[in-house]
Amino acid sequence: DTEVTQTPKHLVMGMTNKKSLKCEQHMGHRAMYWYKQKAKKPPELMFVYSYEKLSINESVPSRFSPECPNSSLLNLHLHALQPEDSALYLCASSQDRYSPLHFGNGTRLTVT
Amino acid sequence: GENVEQHPSTLSVQEGDSAVIKCTYSDSASNYFPWYKQELGKRPQLIIDIRSNVGEKKDQRIAVTLNKTAKHFSLHITETQPEDSAVYFCAASMEWSSASKIIFGSGTRLSIRP
Repeated sequence: DTEVTQTPKHLVMGMTNKKSLKCEQHMGHRAMYWYKQKAKKPPELMFVYSYEKLSINESVPSRFSPECPNSSLLNLHLHALQPEDSALYLCASSQDRYSPLHFGNGTRLTVT
Repeated sequence: GENVEQHPSTLSVQEGDSAVIKCTYSDSASNYFPWYKQELGKRPQLIIDIRSNVGEKKDQRIAVTLNKTAKHFSLHITETQPEDSAVYFCAASMEWSSASKIIFGSGTRLSIRP
């Protein structure tokens, strides 16, 4: 069982659609992360939230918009995506800056 | 920013033999080095980690060594088994406010030959 839950598992969207990816953790972790992973590539850091505040934005295009409504939830709002944005989007959390990441199972996104 | 290089990209070893994967990092401020295993279609999972104040750490068949001076760290798997077949990622992390900025290496696809 994974302690970080991501929904949906799969998402197909057109370039004009607006959709959201959701992530939830109930481990009391105070840092939450979004990573993007293309096939046969490592996870690539997108955003980090710490204590519900955006701490790191790795120069991600504005068509990706993160949101952290509370300490347990993390959303990634998607708008006007491109086909090259198709990837596995992984959410992760950590207790603090000294702790390892716990990943969710990811959302496999296809942009048509 | 931090850059993590990982070698080799693929590794095939006979079951029962040892496997070694090596990584280098660029930023001397990095102080935490986790290793993740990712099986096909699954999420990355932590297998072992080491902090910069420690030179070596072992957990059963898995060990990690760290050379801070040379900015090298390595993963050693002994007595390999078929279930060790997966992609392994090293990573380097530095403290960033109250979170970690964890950057991954490019990955090593490990295959265990029966």
